[in-house]
Amino acid sequence: AQSVTQLDSQVPVFEEAPVELRCNYSSSVSVYLFWYVQYPNQGLQLLLKYLSGSTLVKGINGFEAEFNKSQTSFHLRKPSVHISDTAEYFCAVSDLGNTPLVFGKGTRLSVIA
Amino acid sequence: DTGVSQDPRHKITKRGQNVTFRCDPISEHNRLYWYRQTLGQGPEFLTYFQNEAQLEKSRLLSDRFSAERPKGSFSTLEIQRTEQGDSAMYLCASSLGGADTYEQYFGPGTRLTVT
Repeated sequence: AQSVTQLDSQVPVFEEAPVELRCNYSSSVSVYLFWYVQYPNQGLQLLLKYLSGSTLVKGINGFEAEFNKSQTSFHLRKPSVHISDTAEYFCAVSDLGNTPLVFGKGTRLSVIA
Repeated sequence: DTGVSQDPRHKITKRGQNVTFRCDPISEHNRLYWYRQTLGQGPEFLTYFQNEAQLEKSRLLSDRFSAERPKGSFSTLEIQRTEQGDSAMYLCASSLGGADTYEQYFGPGTRLTVT
């Protein structure tokens, strides 16, 4: 069965500093990878996705992620964070696409002024 | 495109009562998913539909849980004889099956509290 590990449950970072949120997945077969963001009392919003092709994918709000097949990782990065980026971030994987997602436990990003 | 909507947004019920939640997907989406999210955890898959057919159910979905999508549009999730362990956020998502985008669009969720 698929599994996703988000290595950090909480990441505090100062405003305008860079941030990396780590994600590792278990599957060795072809996978589709996603990062979602959840603001308080809201549903999940897609930040970016990797389906195939270039291993560096760019998403909304200045976020990007790099797919590394050999390390089974899909880390999320942003070069300069804003207060408004404070939220919970979830990494998810699907092995067939358009099928149920398997989520990690989430990383709470807290941006400090 | 009005997005995925869920009703109610919050539900407080006493242990042993039955509850029903509704999800309205994006109108042209034929796939509909239910997930459950507890505090400090990521969403966990419960069940999903393609049109009116229920394609898969998770082992998390005990006999007390039932989901329907009778006309392939909105869906309902019913929990019978609620237990305190059912307290969670119930999330609904929809997607366009067959598309190559694979994006699931999530609703705002229904927060259930069982007292």
